[in-house]
Amino acid sequence: AQSVTQPDIHITVSEGASLELRCNYSYGATPYLFWYVQSPGQGLQLLLKYFSGDTLVQGIKGFEAEFKRSQSSFNLRKPSVHWSDAAEYFCAEQTGNQFYFGTGTSLTVIP
Amino acid sequence: DAMVIQNPRYQVTQFGKPVTLSCSQTLNHNVMYWYQQKSSQAPKLLFHYYDKDFNNEADTPDNFQSRRPNTSFCFLDIRSPGLGDAAMYLCATKGTATNEKLFFGSGTQLSVL
Repeated sequence: AQSVTQPDIHITVSEGASLELRCNYSYGATPYLFWYVQSPGQGLQLLLKYFSGDTLVQGIKGFEAEFKRSQSSFNLRKPSVHWSDAAEYFCAEQTGNQFYFGTGTSLTVIP
Repeated sequence: DAMVIQNPRYQVTQFGKPVTLSCSQTLNHNVMYWYQQKSSQAPKLLFHYYDKDFNNEADTPDNFQSRRPNTSFCFLDIRSPGLGDAAMYLCATKGTATNEKLFFGSGTQLSVL
């Protein structure tokens, strides 16, 4: 069975600093990968997705992610974090019509 | 405009008392999902429908059932809620193309007393 691992449960960064959230997947030679963001008490919003092609994908809100097959990773990055980015971030992998999520990384942004 | 709507936003039930959560969509998507999300945990896929075809996850307890009477609506029935079933329940939809994203509702927070 596939699994998605997010090694960092919680990350704190200063506003304006760069951010990288880690994600590792374990299934499929050509995985379909996603990053979602969840604000407290809300559903999940898609930040970006990777299906094939360019391994660096751009998303909304200034986020990007890089697919690295050799490392089975799909890390999310942002060059300069804003206070409004504080939220829970989930990496997910799609298999057919099923989506499986990692355990999430909680981001705190300090002034 | 909300496209995936979950009602109610908060639901309180008693231990062992059946409860139904509802989800509706205006996207005409073929695929609808139910996820359970406990505090500080990943959303866990319970089951999904592809049109009328029901697909249960192997580890979803029998206590959880679902109905999809038409394209727009999907229900989650918990036959005998236990304290461990207290969670946020998320509904999501997707079109049939492989590269389509999930659209999530805002969730129903279920409390079991």
